[in-house]
Amino acid sequence: ETVLTQSPATLSLSPGERATLSCRASQSVSTYLAWYQQKPGQAPRLLIYDASSRATGIPARFSGSGSGTDFTLTISSLEPEDFAVYYCQQRSDWITFGQGSRLEIK
Amino acid sequence: QLQLQESGPGLVKPSETLSLTCIVSGGSITSTYYYWGWIRQPPGKGLEWIGSMYYSGSAYYNPSLKSRVTISADTSKNQFSLRVNSVTAADTAVYYCARSAVAGTHQQTFDHWGQGTLVTVSS
Repeated sequence: ETVLTQSPATLSLSPGERATLSCRASQSVSTYLAWYQQKPGQAPRLLIYDASSRATGIPARFSGSGSGTDFTLTISSLEPEDFAVYYCQQRSDWITFGQGSRLEIK
Repeated sequence: QLQLQESGPGLVKPSETLSLTCIVSGGSITSTYYYWGWIRQPPGKGLEWIGSMYYSGSAYYNPSLKSRVTISADTSKNQFSLRVNSVTAADTAVYYCARSAVAGTHQQTFDHWGQGTLVTVSS
């Protein structure tokens, strides 16, 4: 089973700042990695698929990069609605999710 | 617009069977382009993929749950179901149904989700 480890567990930033979240895989997943955003009481929302492609309707401030075992989700300038929990998911070896990173308002 | 809605009991006794249904509207589960799956989230914790199925009946499951899980489709009602046998408190979670693509972009990536339903396992 491919384990995904996300860091940091919690990131405290202010609106307008840049956020960088990391996802590391225990073995190569090529670019078969997605990112989701989840707000309290809501289902996850797909942001990024295939490591760097934005899903339909996702603002350009969200970007993904990486391949192999190291991946990054970047939010270029935080909006108030971006404070949430973010999960990565791989589809190279069955389907697994990372444990999540919480982005909170500083 | 595709919508998914989970339904089923919110309370299940230990050792019994958890059964949930996902009703799909605005799209057909017989589409050849999509899998239909279940993901769960214990309270305050992360996401765990349970399994996914194709409308023809073929399904694949998380190896850690495979022995207790069945996902099946009722194409006449445009819905699919989850059964988890021999439940324990560890199966307490919000259960989501979701769609993923069979191939190409969004392959095995969940682009539409239901709102989720909390199932508590307790006597």
